[in-house]
Amino acid sequence: GENVEQHPSTLSVQEGDSAVIKCTYSDSASNYFPWYKQELGKGPQLIIDIRSNVGEKKDQRIAVTLNKTAKHFSLHITETQPEDSAVYFCAAFGTYKYIFGTGTRLKVLA
Amino acid sequence: DGGITQSPKYLFRKEGQNVTLSCEQNLNHDAMYWYRQDPGQGLRLIYYSQIVNDFQKGDIAEGYSVSREKKESFPLTVTSAQKNPTAFYLCASSIQEGTQYFGPGTRLLVL
Repeated sequence: GENVEQHPSTLSVQEGDSAVIKCTYSDSASNYFPWYKQELGKGPQLIIDIRSNVGEKKDQRIAVTLNKTAKHFSLHITETQPEDSAVYFCAAFGTYKYIFGTGTRLKVLA
Repeated sequence: DGGITQSPKYLFRKEGQNVTLSCEQNLNHDAMYWYRQDPGQGLRLIYYSQIVNDFQKGDIAEGYSVSREKKESFPLTVTSAQKNPTAFYLCASSIQEGTQYFGPGTRLLVL
């Protein structure tokens, strides 16, 4: 069946450094790729998304890149801050439903 | 103030008891979803509904039931057949094939 692999499962960076989280999807029909940030005890919040007709999208310190040929997409966070610490999920929307990655716990060390 | 609300925030279930989790949205979204989240794991789809009075099973529907009598509401019942119900339950909604927006979640614990 369809799946989304997400790496790494945990990531620790020093404040001010960059963080990169990578996802690989299997359903070639996937055409929409959102990223969510989930803080402890709360629901996931959309932080950025990208559609299959675009290769890169930026929003201030956050960017997402998509390689349709390789079926990879990645989240890039620059100049990380302590408030970036959370669990990040990628997702791929394909045939009528979303498939989520297993999440990356990002810790930004002050 | 638009959004998705879930209640209660915490819910305790006794063995053999059915419990119902509430999900309401005022975003005028057609589609609604229920996910289960276990510690350290991703989101697993329980049920989804793309239109009123219609819903489909997700990947882990056994032991759960839903209804969609109103566009705004998509309650989830955790039945006694669900032997391991302890988890964080998330409701989401979207326009058809659009971005999903999540509620704050309900944590279900077994007494």
